[in-house]
Amino acid sequence: ETGVTQTPRHLVMGMTNKKSLKCEQHLGHNAMYWYKQSAKKPLELMFVYNFKEQTENNSVPSRFSPECPNSSHLFLHLHTLQPEDSALYLCASRIITGVAGANVLTFGAGSRLTVL
Amino acid sequence: AQSVTQLDSQVPVFEEAPVELRCNYSSSVSVYLFWYVQYPNQGLQLLLKYLSGSTLVKSINGFEAEFNKSQTSFHLRKPSVHISDTAEYFCAVTVSSGSARQLTFGSGTQLTVLP
Repeated sequence: ETGVTQTPRHLVMGMTNKKSLKCEQHLGHNAMYWYKQSAKKPLELMFVYNFKEQTENNSVPSRFSPECPNSSHLFLHLHTLQPEDSALYLCASRIITGVAGANVLTFGAGSRLTVL
Repeated sequence: AQSVTQLDSQVPVFEEAPVELRCNYSSSVSVYLFWYVQYPNQGLQLLLKYLSGSTLVKSINGFEAEFNKSQTSFHLRKPSVHISDTAEYFCAVTVSSGSARQLTFGSGTQLTVLP
């Protein structure tokens, strides 16, 4: 257990469904991230939130909608997904400081999404 | 922008043999370098990092990596692997200055230790 909890761990959904992924951390971190991990491809950064404000959207399709109600929680709302969106979605967090090497991310175990 | 190349997608090795996982990066500015490990059904965990100082960095479980600026490499090594080292290993880089400090990951190397 790393301190970053993701639910559900597995999700199967049809292309017309609406579902959400949840990420929670109580590490005192103030930056949270969504990554997409597909087989044999580098991790793709999707969204970044610093102090609850979205600071990066890496050209992610609008069928993925993030929400960060507070520094401890991050959601990824999913609607009208495509089969190619099937992947492992990883949440990560870190603390923002001026100290070198503060990019050490703590990852959750991921949510395995299958779109039928 | 920086990039990371992990040349080997899969590395099978016998138990107690040495292993090297290769990582090369490209960047026009100074960088920080990281190795993360992902065990089956888990997220990524930091294995070791290079920020500054000694170019040889070590982890608590026997891995080490050496930053080579002239060759823009950060290869990961272990002199004797165990079955429990079977996992996927990711190299990552970020620039060491400026506000844009997002990590860029390589595509990963699957290390499989055989009995």
